[in-house]
Amino acid sequence: ELKVEQNPLFLSMQEGKNYTIYCNYSTTSDRLYWYRQDPGKSLESLFVLLSNGAVKQEGRLMASLDTKARLSTLHITAAVHDLSATYFCAGESGGGADGLTFGKGTHLIIQP
Amino acid sequence: GAGVSQTPSNKVTEKGKYVELRCDPISGHTALYWYRQSLGQGPEFLIYFQGTGAADDSGLPNDRFFAVRPEGSVSTLKIQRTERGDSAVYLCASSLSGGPSEQYFGPGTRLTVT
Repeated sequence: ELKVEQNPLFLSMQEGKNYTIYCNYSTTSDRLYWYRQDPGKSLESLFVLLSNGAVKQEGRLMASLDTKARLSTLHITAAVHDLSATYFCAGESGGGADGLTFGKGTHLIIQP
Repeated sequence: GAGVSQTPSNKVTEKGKYVELRCDPISGHTALYWYRQSLGQGPEFLIYFQGTGAADDSGLPNDRFFAVRPEGSVSTLKIQRTERGDSAVYLCASSLSGGPSEQYFGPGTRLTVT
């Protein structure tokens, strides 16, 4: 059974700083996903990482995947207030199922 | 284009009642997923449809939960004899096909069982 762990679960940081959110998963996952969720809203897809060594960037966010270490990271560069949200990573459960297994999320607050 | 839509957006019901939650996927998406998200947690997988059939229902917590997708488009999640522990946001997602296709989420239905 796939388990996904994120850390930290809560992060308060200042604008302009850099930080990394970590996502560890327990068994093989073919793909790794990152989602953003604003309060009271649904999930917005950020990145889909398909293979070992994959790196994707969008604006101030960059995600990477190391399948050997079973680790994905979401790096925030020069944070701005608009990036305040909860970020989830998710892996595929495997065994023929296509449902995603989510971490508990990282609640990110970026203060001016 | 139109995204995934879910109705109602909020549902309050009494313990023991029956509820139905509806999901309209993105047009042309053959795969449809239901998840449940409790406060402060990540979404939890419930069931996955490929076309009209439930390809994986391993996430349904018990036999009070049932979902259908009779024509391969709209899906209904049905909960019988609701319990207070069923209170959560129920999210629906769809993708172009199963497997590596990206899942797009709807706004969710917030279910409160009193």
